[in-house]
Amino acid sequence: GAGVSQSPRYKVAKRGQDVALRCDPISGHVSLFWYQQALGQGPEFLTYFQNEAQLDKSGLPSDRFFAERPEGSVSTLKIQRTQQEDSAVYLCASSLVADGSYEQYFGPGTRLTVT
Amino acid sequence: RKEVEQDPGPFNVPEGATVAFNCTYSNSASQSFFWYRQDCRKEPKLLMSVYSSGNEDGRFTAQLNRASQYISLLIRDSKLSDSATYLCPFPYGQNFVFGPGTRLSALP
Repeated sequence: GAGVSQSPRYKVAKRGQDVALRCDPISGHVSLFWYQQALGQGPEFLTYFQNEAQLDKSGLPSDRFFAERPEGSVSTLKIQRTQQEDSAVYLCASSLVADGSYEQYFGPGTRLTVT
Repeated sequence: RKEVEQDPGPFNVPEGATVAFNCTYSNSASQSFFWYRQDCRKEPKLLMSVYSSGNEDGRFTAQLNRASQYISLLIRDSKLSDSATYLCPFPYGQNFVFGPGTRLSALP
């Protein structure tokens, strides 16, 4: 079956531009996570959805970051007025159930470069 | 924030060698943990789940030591294709907290 997909795979944005990153989770997966991964570091949690409800957004680094999952399937991570420090790989993961004891499956990521 | 501690390596091992590394975590009530591998410029891929009884899959053995609060990964007969970064996320509520990962380089 299809895994988690993300688009675009690469995005170059000029500083100050807005960007939107899309995630298509595995069909039927209840939970969806966004992570940010800087070079040489492990993924850092940004936000978590259970179906359409955003239950934890404690990892979002500023109010320029916004995520939604309006129908409980596809999710979009939006970054407004991008800054150079936003350059990173943005990973989306999904999990079958809403429980940290279950495996998360990752998409290929979107590599964002802010110039 | 619950921290995960890993030796970042790199672990440089010859092909055929056995290598082991650990991941220590803060107190957790989780019943299961995971090992992921991440190749350069790729996403993390699930390698193994680690349950209380441990888990073995071919050349890979994962153990959970709840008393000492660490999980381990043992790789026997290392292959060049094992070269990757190994991540051990710490289950924290519904989320995972990742450490920096341990980099393994298997050398010919």
